[in-house]
Amino acid sequence: AQKVTQAQTEISVVEKEDVTLDCVYETRDTTYYLFWYKQPPSGELVFLIRRNSFDEQNEISGRYSWNFQKSTSSFNFTITASQVVDSAVYFCALSESSSNTGKLIFGQGTTLQVKP
Amino acid sequence: DAGVIQSPRHEVTEMGQEVTLRCKPISGHNSLFWYRQTMMRGLELLIYFNNNVPIDDSGMPEDRFSAKMPNASFSTLKIQPSEPRDSAVYFCASSLGWNTQYFGPGTRLTVL
Repeated sequence: AQKVTQAQTEISVVEKEDVTLDCVYETRDTTYYLFWYKQPPSGELVFLIRRNSFDEQNEISGRYSWNFQKSTSSFNFTITASQVVDSAVYFCALSESSSNTGKLIFGQGTTLQVKP
Repeated sequence: DAGVIQSPRHEVTEMGQEVTLRCKPISGHNSLFWYRQTMMRGLELLIYFNNNVPIDDSGMPEDRFSAKMPNASFSTLKIQPSEPRDSAVYFCASSLGWNTQYFGPGTRLTVL
C-alpha cells in the first residue's frame, strides 16, 4: 500500500545550522510524483518542489536542496544555513499514477524549529 | 495571479448546525481537491473533482458531508449536521490535470 513516512516528528536547530528532513515512501507504481510542502505558523500550505519518479537528479534552490534516491525510496530535504523564517511544519507527499486522480498522500510532517 | 481562495477563513458553529465552506480554484485549473487536516489523522483527501465532476469521494467521512462543483470556478463543502469531531482545518487545492496542487489558505472550523 502507498505510504509516506517522516520519522522525525520535531527537529530543533540553531540558526545557521544545516538540517535534513527525511522522507521515505512506499509505492508499487513505477510512475509517481514526490512533493514537499511547507506549512508556516500562519497555516497555509506552500508548494516547494515536485519530482517525478524518472528524474533522480538532485535539485538545489537557494538554501534548499533535495536528494531523491529510488534505491532507498527516499526523498530527503536539506536546508543549508537555516534561518528563523524556516521554522514551519514540512510535509512530504506522494502522488501515484494508478490513482488516476493526482491524490496526494501526505506524511505526518516534521516540525522544524530554528532558534536564533 | 490570484491563488486558491477559500471562505470563510474561520468558522465557529454549534453542534447540529449546517456549515458551508467555499472554494474558488485557480483560473484554468480543471482539478479540485478538498482535504482535511487534524492532529490525529494529518492531511487526508476528502473528495476530488475533475472538470467539475466528482471522481473520487471515498474520503468523505459519512453522509453528513457533501460537496458540489456547479462550475469551474466554484466549489462547496457542506456539513449537515455538524459535530464536534468535524473540527479541523479544511483545505481546498487545485491543479491542471496531474500537475502540482496549489492550496488555499484553509478554513479553520470549530464545532462546539
